[in-house]
Amino acid sequence: GAVVSQHPSWVICKSGTSVKIECRSLDFQATTMFWYRQFPKQSLMLMATSNEGSKATYEQGVEKDKFLINHASLTLSTLTVTSAHPEDSSFYICSARGIQGLTSTDTQYFGPGTRLTVL
Amino acid sequence: GQSLEQPSEVTAVEGAIVQINCTYQTSGFYGLSWYQQHDGGAPTFLSYNALDGLEETGRFSSFLSRSDSYGYLLLQELQMKDSASYFCAVRDDYKLSFGAGTTVTVRA
Repeated sequence: GAVVSQHPSWVICKSGTSVKIECRSLDFQATTMFWYRQFPKQSLMLMATSNEGSKATYEQGVEKDKFLINHASLTLSTLTVTSAHPEDSSFYICSARGIQGLTSTDTQYFGPGTRLTVL
Repeated sequence: GQSLEQPSEVTAVEGAIVQINCTYQTSGFYGLSWYQQHDGGAPTFLSYNALDGLEETGRFSSFLSRSDSYGYLLLQELQMKDSASYFCAVRDDYKLSFGAGTTVTVRA
């Protein structure tokens, strides 16, 4: 199956700082990338969807000015948590769907996740 | 919008069979997926049903009935490593929406 990587795998930062998380598709062209957030013992909640070269579409209740998403290429999307606060501490997971070889794939492949802790 | 319901937890012994049911309501439907997630890890894809019927992949099988808005994941010959959370997810025209997850605990 396709491979999606995320970096960093974990990060600890001070309140008020910004944190950037990278998501890369390693062996396919990710035409669409998704960013999820998961709190302990809870489900994955979709934050936003981005198509390569377009502005991200945010789910209701997600602050677009706080969670900046860039999907500038077919292999890279970034999520920047601006002015992070302790309540932003969570597990952030990216997912990608796109074209592998000559075939459009419907399956969403997930990255390993980034655990953010804001002190 | 979408809503999915699945049991919160299931406990079974090694070698047993477990069925995790999922009912859903969605404004658009392309298919039902199942994902496994171990503590601290990311979800891994298990199966996808777009059409009615049973899909079998090794010890795991998934079933879908579109007319009943219902599906299930069947875990057979349970092993200790199958202890994890299992999520059903509905695909509409552009995204996956996840259920709350079922924690499966396998006991020796």
